[in-house]
Amino acid sequence: EAGVTQFPSHSVIEKGQTVTLRCDPISGHDNLYWYRRVMGKEIKFLLHFVKESKQDESGMPNNRFLAERTGGTYSTLKVQPAELEDSGVYFCASSLWGLPSTDTQYFGPGTRLTVL
Amino acid sequence: AQTVTQSQPEMSVQEAETVTLSCTYDTSESNYYLFWYKQPPSRQMILVIRQEAYKQQNATENRFSVNFQKAAKSFSLKISDSQLGDTAMYFCAFMKHEGYGGATNKLIFGTGTLLAVQP
Repeated sequence: EAGVTQFPSHSVIEKGQTVTLRCDPISGHDNLYWYRRVMGKEIKFLLHFVKESKQDESGMPNNRFLAERTGGTYSTLKVQPAELEDSGVYFCASSLWGLPSTDTQYFGPGTRLTVL
Repeated sequence: AQTVTQSQPEMSVQEAETVTLSCTYDTSESNYYLFWYKQPPSRQMILVIRQEAYKQQNATENRFSVNFQKAAKSFSLKISDSQLGDTAMYFCAFMKHEGYGGATNKLIFGTGTLLAVQP
């Protein structure tokens, strides 16, 4: 079974540019989460999809971030325009719909974003 | 709001020895879950072990075990017979039980402990 995949693995962009990150969850996982780790700090929750619907986007930093999950499959996270403080590692995780006791979140390898 | 604290940014252990990583958390909730995740260099994060707060028995997974002290809000990870492959960043995480099905069960992470296993 394929795990969670993320693309690209690294992205280096100039301040003001746009970047789109992609996450492919494990097949059949309805829950999809985005997290971010800024250098040296804790990993923080950004938002949660259930299928194609945003369930909770309380962790999104501001309106420069836009997440979508078309058709309830893969998800994209677009940053437009990017700022220096957006640099960090963006993780995606997916889990089955069900009880918290069983819905382990499986993480992707992350996308390292560097904004210059 | 819940917080998770890992006070050891880096640790080192000799191969075959035992090491304990510390984690404390703060919450007023009674129903929650605790996790340890590991992220090896250039690889993705994987779940090492999980503990349900309502269970008194400490969780174990092969060489990995936890010491869960609910009253003290402490959740340490013990790695026995350390192996080179255990070299990784270890994250402690808390999850409040929000509900079933589509509820947002977000993880709250500590800052991580970088463990190096020396040959």
